[in-house]
Amino acid sequence: AIQMTQSPSSLSASVGDRVTITCRASQGIGSDLGWYQQRPGKAPKLLIYAASTLQTGVPSRFSGSGSGTDFTLTISSLQPEDFATYYCLQDSTYPRTFGQGTKVEI
Amino acid sequence: EVRLVESGGDLVQPGGSLRLSCEASGFNFVSYWMIWFRQPPGQGLEWVANINQDGSVTHYVDSVKGRFTISRDNAEHSLSLQMNSLRFEDTAVYYCVRDAEVVVPGVNVYDVYDSWGQGTLVTVSS
Repeated sequence: AIQMTQSPSSLSASVGDRVTITCRASQGIGSDLGWYQQRPGKAPKLLIYAASTLQTGVPSRFSGSGSGTDFTLTISSLQPEDFATYYCLQDSTYPRTFGQGTKVEI
Repeated sequence: EVRLVESGGDLVQPGGSLRLSCEASGFNFVSYWMIWFRQPPGQGLEWVANINQDGSVTHYVDSVKGRFTISRDNAEHSLSLQMNSLRFEDTAVYYCVRDAEVVVPGVNVYDVYDSWGQGTLVTVSS
């Protein structure tokens, strides 16, 4: 199975900050990567698919980049509702695998 | 509005069985791959299994192969997960998810897990 390594595992930030989360795949996955946000007690929410395509309805402050093995999720200006845990997920091969998550805290 | 409603979660002893269900509404169920994910308490997410539109193709994570069976009833707009030989490590919230895959002709097919249920809790404990 492809291993997905996210970093950092947690970070502290303030409203208005630019935040960057990285995800590295153990082998090349092209652009077969999605990013998900999960708020406490809630189901995950899709933010980005195909590494850089913003899901409909997701604010433009979220962006994704990368291909092959290295990927990045950027939040350009952190908002109060963005404090959550973020996961990357590869959909290149079975089984699909997640990164371990990045908790964004105040 | 797309709705996915899971049910069937319960407390079960190790070695026991449980069947989860997911009722889908608000979209053409027969047109979508469907997936089960899970999340142990306080831990990260795990992809468990998926099934194609007519139920002829399934995939499983290695840890559940031979124990779990994913199935669907397109007439009833429902997805199921039969879980046998349950283990402590199967304890988790189980999510039913729709894959609104995006096809880019000549390029790729991308998973787009755009709709999630609220989850149902399975607890395996003696």
